[in-house]
Amino acid sequence: DAGVIQSPRHEVTEMGQEVTLRCKPISGHNSLFWYRQTMMRGLELLIYFNNNVPIDDSGMPEDRFSAKMPNASFSTLKIQPSEPRDSAVYFCASSVGAGSPLHFGNGTRLTVT
Amino acid sequence: AQSVTQPDIHITVSEGASLELRCNYSYGATPYLFWYVQSPGQGLQLLLKYFSGDTLVQGIKGFEAEFKRSQSSFNLRKPSVHWSDAAEYFCAVDSGNQFYFGTGTSLTVIP
Repeated sequence: DAGVIQSPRHEVTEMGQEVTLRCKPISGHNSLFWYRQTMMRGLELLIYFNNNVPIDDSGMPEDRFSAKMPNASFSTLKIQPSEPRDSAVYFCASSVGAGSPLHFGNGTRLTVT
Repeated sequence: AQSVTQPDIHITVSEGASLELRCNYSYGATPYLFWYVQSPGQGLQLLLKYFSGDTLVQGIKGFEAEFKRSQSSFNLRKPSVHWSDAAEYFCAVDSGNQFYFGTGTSLTVIP
């Protein structure tokens, strides 16, 4: 079991550029979550999917953020255009469903200059 | 609304001493409860979970937690802390359709 795989581990970009974060959940997991972690705000849930369908995207901060899950083994989180305040660590997590623990990837550290 | 409170932002203990990290939750029914640990530069790792049954649950790395319904608490304990336990600890509640995380407790272990 390779666990949840996120790429890239680090991303440095300039303000205004498009950023795409990628996540491969654990095989067989039906739920996928995107979190953002900062010192000021802690862990924030951005969006989660059940069976590839977005269920709750109320945590997505602005229209600049979008997430997709085209199939059960892949999800992306896109920021366009990026801003310095988007700098954070973005985590992807997956689970087999409600009531089951989340399994986290190692995160993508995003720096927007 | 559901919420999770970790009242201690930062705790320092000596190696070999006992540890208790506090967690209180607000939820109408008995929730699913979890403790996670996060080492620097890493994702969150599951330490233990409570779903039902025995209110004292054992986890990895020698940790345990006790669910107390009357106090709406799920405190994490370890009888003897090791230097490698220095990390950030998060309590979490699953209401069945959403996970809620506490703000975390940072643990420092001094020799």
